[in-house]
Amino acid sequence: GEDVEQSLFLSVREGDSSVINCTYTDSSSTYLYWYKQEPGAGLQLLTYIFSNMDMKQDQRLTVLLNKKDKHLSLRIADTQTGDSAIYFCAESSDPGYSSASKIIFGSGTRLSIRP
Amino acid sequence: DGGITQSPKYLFRKEGQNVTLSCEQNLNHDAMYWYRQDPGQGLRLIYYSQIVNDFQKGDIAEGYSVSREKKESFPLTVTSAQKNPTAFYLCASSIDPGRDYNSPLHFGNGTRLTVT
Repeated sequence: GEDVEQSLFLSVREGDSSVINCTYTDSSSTYLYWYKQEPGAGLQLLTYIFSNMDMKQDQRLTVLLNKKDKHLSLRIADTQTGDSAIYFCAESSDPGYSSASKIIFGSGTRLSIRP
Repeated sequence: DGGITQSPKYLFRKEGQNVTLSCEQNLNHDAMYWYRQDPGQGLRLIYYSQIVNDFQKGDIAEGYSVSREKKESFPLTVTSAQKNPTAFYLCASSIDPGRDYNSPLHFGNGTRLTVT
């Protein structure tokens, strides 16, 4: 079945860039999402990219998509302590009436910031 | 402000008791979902509902039940049949994915259930 994989941990120095990587297996993925989860809270949608795009930039966030390699990355520029969280990659395959169940999440990458 | 409200934030129950987790949304979303989150395992789909009075099992529905009598509400009951009920439960909603290909999920803040 479809799968989304991420590394579990990433540690970066404050002010550096963070790059969180994700690989997925579903070649029919339509939208790919990045969510952020702060401790004890739900998931907050950070950004998304449509599968016919290579890159999307939104302030400090840059999403890169390599569809050939099924690789997605999220770059956070000038990482701050407030960026400490778990980041989830998710993919959604082609829509249909049953697509409500077709959003597949990775296991999340815990980003920690060191001074 | 529109959003999804889950209550309570923390819930404690004795083994063998059923417990119901509340989820209410005022986003006018058609679809609602329940996920379970365990450390290091990401999110697993329990049940989802795309319209009122209809719902479907997700990947780990055993030991859970839901109802969707109103568009705004999608309560989840964790029954005594659920073998490992202690977890963080997340409710989410989205607009009808049949009408809009991009239907990101909007999440509540979760309920942490501890069963002893």
